[in-house]
Amino acid sequence: GAGVSQSPSNKVTEKGKDVELRCDPISGHTALYWYRQRLGQGLEFLIYFQGNSAPDKSGLPSDRFSAERTGESVSTLTIQRTQQEDSAVYLCASSIDPGAFSPLHFGNGTRLTVT
Amino acid sequence: TQLLEQSPQFLSIQEGENLTVYCNSSSVFSSLQWYRQEPGEGPVLLVTVVTGGEVKKLKRLTFQFGDARKDSSLHITAAQPGDTGLYLCAGSPGAGSYQLTFGKGTKLSVIP
Repeated sequence: GAGVSQSPSNKVTEKGKDVELRCDPISGHTALYWYRQRLGQGLEFLIYFQGNSAPDKSGLPSDRFSAERTGESVSTLTIQRTQQEDSAVYLCASSIDPGAFSPLHFGNGTRLTVT
Repeated sequence: TQLLEQSPQFLSIQEGENLTVYCNSSSVFSSLQWYRQEPGEGPVLLVTVVTGGEVKKLKRLTFQFGDARKDSSLHITAAQPGDTGLYLCAGSPGAGSYQLTFGKGTKLSVIP
């Protein structure tokens, strides 16, 4: 596809369940980011992947959160034992290379609701 | 921790009016980006400013980066309903840095 694709677009889950969110970046983009956007808040950095380098996981809020990326393709963000405070829109973005001047191309996000 | 404060948080104006939104920090950024986000969609990049004092124009939108590279503004002339959305600024601490700090955004509503 031409843009970043995320699935599912919406996810409602019960507290304590695990969820898996998927991101398909733009082909050829080496950098991939996950952000969280809570209602009324700015985008919160979660994790960054660049090629085959070790990911920067410094933004993950707890050990319930993990993410994987295979090469320069699909990424999955997994949240284990979901809590109500995990409710947010999870945005994935890719860029052709890392660096301050490379624009981020965002997907439309996954809206996660934990009941 | 670098923070970006955006103001106002909400803005509702009539079609045809002019407006300015602000993005301020006590920290220096090597570059600053502005994004617009519409409901149910991801943010879309509008512009990147990299030089202190730089002014960039995109049709009716004018972006300015402060001389000290700590603040930025977005001015919209003759606002249209299509300008409605959440405007986010995002700063980078260094040219080689991939980490962006995002402000909370200004939610703009342009009433026909």
